[in-house]
Amino acid sequence: EAGVVQSPRYKIIEKKQPVAFWCNPISGHNTLYWYRQNLGQGPELLIRYENEEAVDDSQLPKDRFSAERLKGVDSTLKIQPAELGDSAVYLCASSPDVILSYEQYFGPGTRLTVT
Amino acid sequence: GENVEQHPSTLSVQEGDSAVIKCTYSDSASNYFPWYKQELGKRPQLIIDIRSNVGEKKDQRIAVTLNKTAKHFSLHITETQPEDSAVYFCAAPLFGNEKLTFGTGTRLTIIP
Repeated sequence: EAGVVQSPRYKIIEKKQPVAFWCNPISGHNTLYWYRQNLGQGPELLIRYENEEAVDDSQLPKDRFSAERLKGVDSTLKIQPAELGDSAVYLCASSPDVILSYEQYFGPGTRLTVT
Repeated sequence: GENVEQHPSTLSVQEGDSAVIKCTYSDSASNYFPWYKQELGKRPQLIIDIRSNVGEKKDQRIAVTLNKTAKHFSLHITETQPEDSAVYFCAAPLFGNEKLTFGTGTRLTIIP
């Protein structure tokens, strides 16, 4: 079974530029998460999707961050414009079932560097 | 507040010895407690988890124990090997949220 796929793996951009990350969850997983992981810290949830619906986006900085999950499968996370403090690893994770949604499987992440 | 505290932040253990990492959580209703292992530059991987209806779970050299009264759970690694070197994160769902709050991580180093 293929795991969670993310691209790109690395991205370097200048501040004020836009950037987008893509995630393909494990086939059949209805729940999808985007996390941000700063160096030396644990992952912090940005947004959670149940199918195509964003059910928890309370931690998403909506002035510059946006996300979508069209058709309830792949998802994209966008930052526009990026700031220096956005440098981090952006992790996508998926879960197979709402009831068992605690069991999360992570993708390899996208390491974003904003200069 | 809503948090999961993890200790220690760093741990060095001689190869073959045991390592123990502890987490405390703030919500007595939390019912699921996973542990993730993250090697340098790689994704967090679920290595073991426990639900609140049991007090201990083992999988070969790793085990997790849960003390619901004290609201803490621990990861135990026995007969440590160099490949156990990584950052370990605990997590728990807090205050009815269907999301996990992660601890701050423990960097485990196994000394050959």
